[in-house]
Amino acid sequence: NAGVTQTPKFQVLKTGQSMTLQCAQDMNHEYMSWYRQDPGMGLRLIHYSVGAGITDQGEVPNGYNVSRSTTEDFPLRLLSAAPSQTSVYFCASNAVSGANVLTFGAGSRLTVL
Amino acid sequence: AQSVTQLGSHVSVSEGALVLLRCNYSSSVPPYLFWYVQYPNQGLQLLLKYTTGATLVKGINGFEAEFKKSETSFHLTKPSAHMSDAAEYFCAVSKNQGGKLIFGQGTELSVKP
Repeated sequence: NAGVTQTPKFQVLKTGQSMTLQCAQDMNHEYMSWYRQDPGMGLRLIHYSVGAGITDQGEVPNGYNVSRSTTEDFPLRLLSAAPSQTSVYFCASNAVSGANVLTFGAGSRLTVL
Repeated sequence: AQSVTQLGSHVSVSEGALVLLRCNYSSSVPPYLFWYVQYPNQGLQLLLKYTTGATLVKGINGFEAEFKKSETSFHLTKPSAHMSDAAEYFCAVSKNQGGKLIFGQGTELSVKP
């Protein structure tokens, strides 16, 4: 049982480049979310989804796009990377019946030069 | 809006000493409360959660937390620290089942031999 799988684990981008962070879960969880982790800031919610075809913004959505075409996948897109997006990104999923207990991926460390 | 405050970004204890990590929250409704732990270069794992019922909640690895509504607190304790407890700890709150999780800033726990 893989849980939540994120790729890539590490990525270096130049300012203005685009990329997609992939996230897949095999637990049939309805909810999925993306967080970024920065020193002293904890985890901040970027976008989340309550089901296929439904997404909504979190606390820090600017500069990021998401879509949810299937229950399993929830990619995060950076259209034009900026140095302020240097961070560690975590994808998480949880079940509707699961009392909001999140299962996290291992994280993707992104550096924007 | 909900918020979470963790008092102390760094806490250092000696092996065998009491661990106390503080968390206060603001919420207009009875919340769901969580503690997650993050070991170096890993994702977050659930330590324990409070949803309803008994206010003293026991988690994994000997940790426990008590929900005190009058103090809007959910402090994490462990009677005797072990070297393997060294990690970053995050308190989180959500308004209800299916709601978004709001995380505190994190507390890094160091354990001295």
